[in-house]
Amino acid sequence: DAGVIQSPRHEVTEMGQEVTLRCKPISGHDYLFWYRQTMMRGLELLIYFNNNVPIDDSGMPEDRFSAKMPNASFSTLKIQPSEPRDSAVYFCASSTLRGNEQFFGPGTRLTVL
Amino acid sequence: AQSVTQLGSHVSVSEGALVLLRCNYSSSVPPYLFWYVQYPNQGLQLLLKYTTGATLVKGINGFEAEFKKSETSFHLTKPSAHMSDAAEYFCAVSTVTGANNLFFGTGTRLTVIP
Repeated sequence: DAGVIQSPRHEVTEMGQEVTLRCKPISGHDYLFWYRQTMMRGLELLIYFNNNVPIDDSGMPEDRFSAKMPNASFSTLKIQPSEPRDSAVYFCASSTLRGNEQFFGPGTRLTVL
Repeated sequence: AQSVTQLGSHVSVSEGALVLLRCNYSSSVPPYLFWYVQYPNQGLQLLLKYTTGATLVKGINGFEAEFKKSETSFHLTKPSAHMSDAAEYFCAVSTVTGANNLFFGTGTRLTVIP
């Protein structure tokens, strides 16, 4: 298995632009998680899905952030408009049943100028 | 609610010395506990986990952790540090009931001194 796949690995954009991050979970995993990692705030859970349905989006910072999972093999995290304070590493992870480990992707390093 | 506290954001040990990274959790229901490792510019990788059963859990790369319910702790140890152990380590908790999300600690950066 290829593991969790994220694209792009690096994204540099200017303030105000729309940013879309992509994630392909491991086949057969029915939970998908989006995290953000910064030096100041550490690892934060933004949102997670179960069977393509958003379960908890309480970690989404504000309305500029949105996430979708149109099918079991693809999810997007969109920021519109982007701001410099959104600069971080964004991780996607997937897992199976409750209590099982989450498998993390390599992350997308986002820089907003 | 669940939470994790990792004591010490930075730990330095000499190569060959004992590694001890501390983790205390808070959970009102039986916890699942995890240790993840993150190498520079990489995602998180599972070291070990406790769900049920034996309280001493062995993981990859010679690491182990012991679940102590009375102390609400899940400290990570390795008898002899190797240079390749230098990384950031995260403790995390989820629960038997409730949602499947993990609550992560703030991480401990381990430096190994030659």
